[in-house]
Amino acid sequence: DSGVTQTPKHLITATGQRVTLRCSPRSGDLSVYWYQQSLDQGLQFLIQYYNGEERAKGNILERFSAQQFPDLHSELNLSSLELGDSALYFCASSVVPDSKRGFYNEQFFGPGTRLTVL
Amino acid sequence: GENVEQHPSTLSVQEGDSAVIKCTYSDSASNYFPWYKQELGKRPQLIIDIRSNVGEKKDQRIAVTLNKTAKHFSLHITETQPEDSAVYFCAAELNRDDKIIFGKGTRLHILP
Repeated sequence: DSGVTQTPKHLITATGQRVTLRCSPRSGDLSVYWYQQSLDQGLQFLIQYYNGEERAKGNILERFSAQQFPDLHSELNLSSLELGDSALYFCASSVVPDSKRGFYNEQFFGPGTRLTVL
Repeated sequence: GENVEQHPSTLSVQEGDSAVIKCTYSDSASNYFPWYKQELGKRPQLIIDIRSNVGEKKDQRIAVTLNKTAKHFSLHITETQPEDSAVYFCAAELNRDDKIIFGKGTRLHILP
């Protein structure tokens, strides 16, 4: 158990719908990352938040959005869903990186949310 | 833009033999290189990592080497065992914005 929780575990919905995925980081971690993993695909970085603010953006579609709340949990919103959005969505968290002190950005992954769009 | 290339995409190795997975990265500002292992149906987990000021790091049967000049790094697994069967991802992190780029993964099969 990494200490990162994600809900729901499974989600089945229809095309055109909107869903929200939730992530709670490890206690003390300020950074949250979202990834999409399609069948037999690698980890596609979507977006990163640090202490409530967007820090880095990857291959995130305009139909997708995310936010990190004051209690540091994060939500990924997926709208106008398409069949191709079916995937495993991972959230990961990490401590604040400080290269001078030797902290590096080990990411702890949650169990993922499997989204199926029918 | 930033890119991490990983090879091979699939690797089959006889149990007891060694396995080597190679990655190259494009951004010379990358300074942290983790390797993650993902077993079937599970989350990725860090197995070893290396910083840019280190050339090699070893942890039991696993080792990682880094060549900053050539911008490539490799994962070496010796005396492979059935439980090593998984997908392995390399990644490179940029110091300036903590952005981390993953390779596309290598599916490692350990043959009995």
